[in-house]
Amino acid sequence: QSVLTQAPSASGTPGQRVTISCSGSSSNIEYHTVNWYQQLPGSAPKLLIFSTFQRPSGVPDRFSGSKSGTSASLAISGLQSEDEADYYCTSWDGSLNGWVFGGGTKLTVL
Amino acid sequence: EVQLVESGGGLVQPGRSLRVSCAASGFSFENYPMHWVRQVPGKGLEWVSGISWNSGFKAYADSVKGRFTISRDNAMSSLYLEMNSLRAEDTALYYCVKEEKAAFDSWGQGTLVTVSS
Repeated sequence: QSVLTQAPSASGTPGQRVTISCSGSSSNIEYHTVNWYQQLPGSAPKLLIFSTFQRPSGVPDRFSGSKSGTSASLAISGLQSEDEADYYCTSWDGSLNGWVFGGGTKLTVL
Repeated sequence: EVQLVESGGGLVQPGRSLRVSCAASGFSFENYPMHWVRQVPGKGLEWVSGISWNSGFKAYADSVKGRFTISRDNAMSSLYLEMNSLRAEDTALYYCVKEEKAAFDSWGQGTLVTVSS
């Protein structure tokens, strides 16, 4: 079982806005930043959001991150077919003294 | 361009040892923390271990603590993971990962480790 909890799947139609959630605890998300990764089929993960809200250069502003208490969210607006991928959240865990990942959410674009 | 190239994976029997390596280029390797993250094919990501820029701080997931050792050679721009007492559940694709601004910003393509008799 993953320390951070994500729904295993999500879906949306092109142009729609979808949100992927990540639930943690006071040991991780509440007092540490959250990062999000996108993994396309057959590829290595790619950093999508860092420091909870920030986008690396080259990541479209359709992707945004937020956090409230022990939960974080990744929002994707203007959904496109190429957004179909697995999405993972991660945060530092102060109790475990290590990085923890969510189990991943598989996004399907219908 | 940042490049991280893993090597050393393969088939190994349970209880045996294996060392995987990562050759880094395209950035000042000696300035950045580095990590190993693994992924069972078809499953999720699991952080394995991390090391600070000067090797002064090392951290391990509970699942590998006492069995795996992370190290680096800044002169060679290389990262290593020595894996001992390997178990079937260690079977995974092992990614070499660069950390910047408390995020894993660059990933290699991974090296597959299979533990089986």
